[in-house]
Amino acid sequence: RKEVEQDPGPFNVPEGATVAFNCTYSNSASQSFFWYRQDCRKEPKLLMSVYSSGNEDGRFTAQLNRASQYISLLIRDSKLSDSATYLCVVAGPYDYKLSFGAGTTVTVRA
Amino acid sequence: DAGVIQSPRHEVTEMGQEVTLRCKPISGHDYLFWYRQTMMRGLELLIYFNNNVPIDDSGMPEDRFSAKMPNASFSTLKIQPSEPRDSAVYFCASSSAAGLAGSLGGVEQYFGPGTRLTVT
Repeated sequence: RKEVEQDPGPFNVPEGATVAFNCTYSNSASQSFFWYRQDCRKEPKLLMSVYSSGNEDGRFTAQLNRASQYISLLIRDSKLSDSATYLCVVAGPYDYKLSFGAGTTVTVRA
Repeated sequence: DAGVIQSPRHEVTEMGQEVTLRCKPISGHDYLFWYRQTMMRGLELLIYFNNNVPIDDSGMPEDRFSAKMPNASFSTLKIQPSEPRDSAVYFCASSSAAGLAGSLGGVEQYFGPGTRLTVT
């Protein structure tokens, strides 16, 4: 079983729509959670960290459910520039190793 | 402000040849990571260093792969001999332990632009 599992998508949404997707992780001891964004043929870049209480960064909202071991990302008012692959990332307590999901592809159309 | 630098950006080589990938981490970062990304397997951690010392190389696929970090500003990943199944994008990333102290969310890793390796 993979440490981090994601629905690969693709999620095809019109501009202005809301899109949400989850990932699940297998290690209950995991303590750090992130969403990274990767554009086509580019390197991954941190989108946001995910905190236990949930957090928001502009149009992006991340939620963590420790009991069910899943993390979600919601994008409101989608823009064309949001088209990318979103990688769910998990790390253990003070663990510098990051485990990456395979990514969820989002395509926003005009 | 220079980010992580990798070279070459593209490498095409024939099976059996030696390949050396290079990475310069962000100045002041004390952790360096080598990843490989393929469509089939996604992003896999190969090895990581702390203060130039290899900490975990359990992701290195086999003895054909080796990595070194002779100083804080330079690391290499070598494949000898290369095989077609090594074709992938290899990323180097760096991070700072200073980012962990007091952080609720852990430590961000900064990725280089990657080296696209094709072995024919």
